[in-house]
Amino acid sequence: GAVVSQHPSWVICKSGTSVKIECRSLDFQATTMFWYRQFPKQSLMLMATSNEGSKATYEQGVEKDKFLINHASLTLSTLTVTSAHPEDSSFYICSGTGRSSYEQYFGPGTRLTVT
Amino acid sequence: AQSVSQHNHHVILSEAASLELGCNYSYGGTVNLFWYVQYPGQHLQLLLKYFSGDPLVKGIKGFEAEFIKSKFSFNLRKPSVQWSDTAEYFCAVKRDSSASKIIFGSGTRLSIRP
Repeated sequence: GAVVSQHPSWVICKSGTSVKIECRSLDFQATTMFWYRQFPKQSLMLMATSNEGSKATYEQGVEKDKFLINHASLTLSTLTVTSAHPEDSSFYICSGTGRSSYEQYFGPGTRLTVT
Repeated sequence: AQSVSQHNHHVILSEAASLELGCNYSYGGTVNLFWYVQYPGQHLQLLLKYFSGDPLVKGIKGFEAEFIKSKFSFNLRKPSVQWSDTAEYFCAVKRDSSASKIIFGSGTRLSIRP
């Protein structure tokens, strides 16, 4: 299957700072990318959907000014958590789908810890 | 909007027992269905998927699932589990459109006693 990478795999930041997470599709062009968050021992909750070159569509209850998503190219999407707080600590997972693909390919996730 | 229900939150089995994890979805249109597995400390892996055709789908590691349209179900089965199957299992559904989002069920934690 296609490969999606995320960087960093683990990040610790101080409360009030911002952190950027990258999601790359390595061997396909991801026309649509999705960002999920997963709390410990819980399911994946979709945060937003982004199409290359367009503004992201956020799910209800997700603050668009806090979780900035950029999908400037067909192989890269970024999620920036602005003014992070300890309650933002979570596992963030991205996935991508190609133009003619019905399957989503998931990245390995990024664990964010805000102290 | 579509949703997914997994009624078993935690299942405990002994090795060699048979497994069936329930999954029901709500969406009236054509759907794509998935089962993902997440081993402790690891990322999601696709076990199997159903897009169309034979409703009995075979996946990796001896897992299979049956799509029963009339029951809106996509239950996961394995005839004989192993200790290494201990993991979290997620059922997921997507509308039959390439760019539509995947919605995950709440997950079922499977614990296998050696």
